[in-house]
Amino acid sequence: DTGVSQDPRHKITKRGQNVTFRCDPISEHNRLYWYRQTLGQGPEFLTYFQNEAQLEKSRLLSDRFSAERPKGSFSTLEIQRTEQGDSAMYLCASSLRPAGSTDTQYFGPGTRLTVL
Amino acid sequence: GENVEQHPSTLSVQEGDSAVIKCTYSDSASNYFPWYKQELGKRPQLIIDIRSNVGEKKDQRIAVTLNKTAKHFSLHITETQPEDSAVYFCAPKGGSQGNLIFGKGTKLSVKP
Repeated sequence: DTGVSQDPRHKITKRGQNVTFRCDPISEHNRLYWYRQTLGQGPEFLTYFQNEAQLEKSRLLSDRFSAERPKGSFSTLEIQRTEQGDSAMYLCASSLRPAGSTDTQYFGPGTRLTVL
Repeated sequence: GENVEQHPSTLSVQEGDSAVIKCTYSDSASNYFPWYKQELGKRPQLIIDIRSNVGEKKDQRIAVTLNKTAKHFSLHITETQPEDSAVYFCAPKGGSQGNLIFGKGTKLSVKP
């Protein structure tokens, strides 16, 4: 598989529950990004990693959200104590960032979260 | 932070006509300017991008033009086809940031 994959594709949960999503980037890509997209809007940046290091976090990423990329390959995004406002499509993207160049980001199919 | 605006929000054209979507941004340090196409229920897909040292780039029916002085870049689609119908997003990237800042999108409808 040469593309970015995400699991699960759909998640329905009750308010207050914790959920975890997984993203597998394109194999040689060193950067991994998480975005959130709500209906009728463009994706909004949440956080990104270069290898294992989490380099930037958005103000959107409240303390209920945590992301990891422990071995510099796949990443997980966990949302604790979910709220109805967390319902959205969570998109993962990856890129290869060589020195002195600007990376192109390729997106996965997303995980659609519905919080009841 | 970067402020990105995209116009128009909706665009309807007849098959074979041209379509132009404009994106303005605020961060003068932005150095990378991609356009993504998103069909309903699908992932955003990169269709064309341009770096800050280039003024125009073309790929078959699609072109992007960049005006760094005025801080805007535009997507041009010629000879539109019904399969071009989708939402198009501009997503400039600031010089000091790794992430893309997406516009609100333009819904393009191409009528046969």
